[in-house]
Amino acid sequence: GAVVSQHPSWVICKSGTSVKIECRSLDFQATTMFWYRQFPKQSLMLMATSNEGSKATYEQGVEKDKFLINHASLTLSTLTVTSAHPEDSSFYICSAMTPSGFRGGDTQYFGPGTRLTVL
Amino acid sequence: KQEVTQIPAALSVPEGENLVLNCSFTDSAIYNLQWFRQDPGKGLTSLLLIQSSQREQTSGRLNASLDKSSGRSTLYIAASQPGDSATYLCAVMSGYSTLTFGKGTMLLVSP
Repeated sequence: GAVVSQHPSWVICKSGTSVKIECRSLDFQATTMFWYRQFPKQSLMLMATSNEGSKATYEQGVEKDKFLINHASLTLSTLTVTSAHPEDSSFYICSAMTPSGFRGGDTQYFGPGTRLTVL
Repeated sequence: KQEVTQIPAALSVPEGENLVLNCSFTDSAIYNLQWFRQDPGKGLTSLLLIQSSQREQTSGRLNASLDKSSGRSTLYIAASQPGDSATYLCAVMSGYSTLTFGKGTMLLVSP
């Protein structure tokens, strides 16, 4: 149980285009989802926290107009990289958190990640 | 601001050796600490989670300890195998479910 999927697993796009990445909790409802970015040989950096039905909370230095996050349901959050540029190339990982009291409450379950390459 | 440091950054050992990976964090006000494994180009696999009230957790050949007051955790891997080769990440949860990750220790176990 507690499986999180991401789609696509990898994507290559041209500079200036927009890319949407989906994060789904397959067998549980996630009131909160998190989006991370990982550059080569670097740590995972939290980009934003997404709560179902409300606006995402972005970490300092993350452009909310560039990285659009939508958490439309308890099992789906999307990250759209708008007008992507080569410096946005990275590994994007989402995680989903179960409601408090269920399976440990504050455990984050991670997706397999999406490799974005912007040419 | 919470900072997590992992030492060493890379480690190469022959198969069969026991080894210790270290993690330290600057703010001891944490809810839990988690060790993950990450294979190249892949997502995270949770290995062990230690709640702030616990001192250690064990799973198979893995043992993780937590000394919250000193801001340290260790991951002990017994009888290492080539399949253990991966990057090991330490992460602490503080604030409202916010995870802060270290940069990881890249482990190579040679046959």
